[in-house]
Amino acid sequence: GENVEQHPSTLSVQEGDSAVIKCTYSDSASNYFPWYKQELGKRPQLIIDIRSNVGEKKDQRIAVTLNKTAKHFSLHITETQPEDSAVYFCAVHTNAGKSTFGDGTTLTVKP
Amino acid sequence: SAVISQKPSRDICQRGTSLTIQCQVDSQVTMMFWYRQQPGQSLTLIATANQGSEATYESGFVIDKFPISRPNLTFSTLTVSNMSPEDSSIYLCSGAREPYNEQFFGPGTRLTVL
Repeated sequence: GENVEQHPSTLSVQEGDSAVIKCTYSDSASNYFPWYKQELGKRPQLIIDIRSNVGEKKDQRIAVTLNKTAKHFSLHITETQPEDSAVYFCAVHTNAGKSTFGDGTTLTVKP
Repeated sequence: SAVISQKPSRDICQRGTSLTIQCQVDSQVTMMFWYRQQPGQSLTLIATANQGSEATYESGFVIDKFPISRPNLTFSTLTVSNMSPEDSSIYLCSGAREPYNEQFFGPGTRLTVL
């Protein structure tokens, strides 16, 4: 089955700095790559996604890049704010829409 | 988007008993899924709930332990049967309108088995 690796597991940055989280996957047939943010005690919420026919997508301070040849994609958060502190999960959609999630990255933004 | 609710939000159960979790979507979705999330860990897919037919289970999960129903396009249930303390976890349902599209998650059911 699909194997998704996410790095780093924890990330601490100063407010205003950038944060980058990377994921690699194994199934070359995967073609949908969402990122979820999960605050403590809350449900995962989609923050950005990218499909296999696009190399980069940006939404305000958040961007995702995809390299299908190398089978990796990354989340970029610029001008981080304390409210960005949360656990971030990448996911890869395989056949029939099933998702395999990365292990998560705990992001801490220090004021 | 879709709004997903779950009942109960939490429960404390005795070993050997069963609990049924309900998942309601406010609009029709094509796909519905059930996940388990241990504290501080990632989401693990239990099964895909198929409307009107048996659910499709992932490796390590079986129908006898986690029977799932999906009678229509907006509702599903997950039963955790013959519970043991190892079943203590958060159980989340999700829905998606298309196979390669955004998933919307329910708020989760926090289960504690004593």
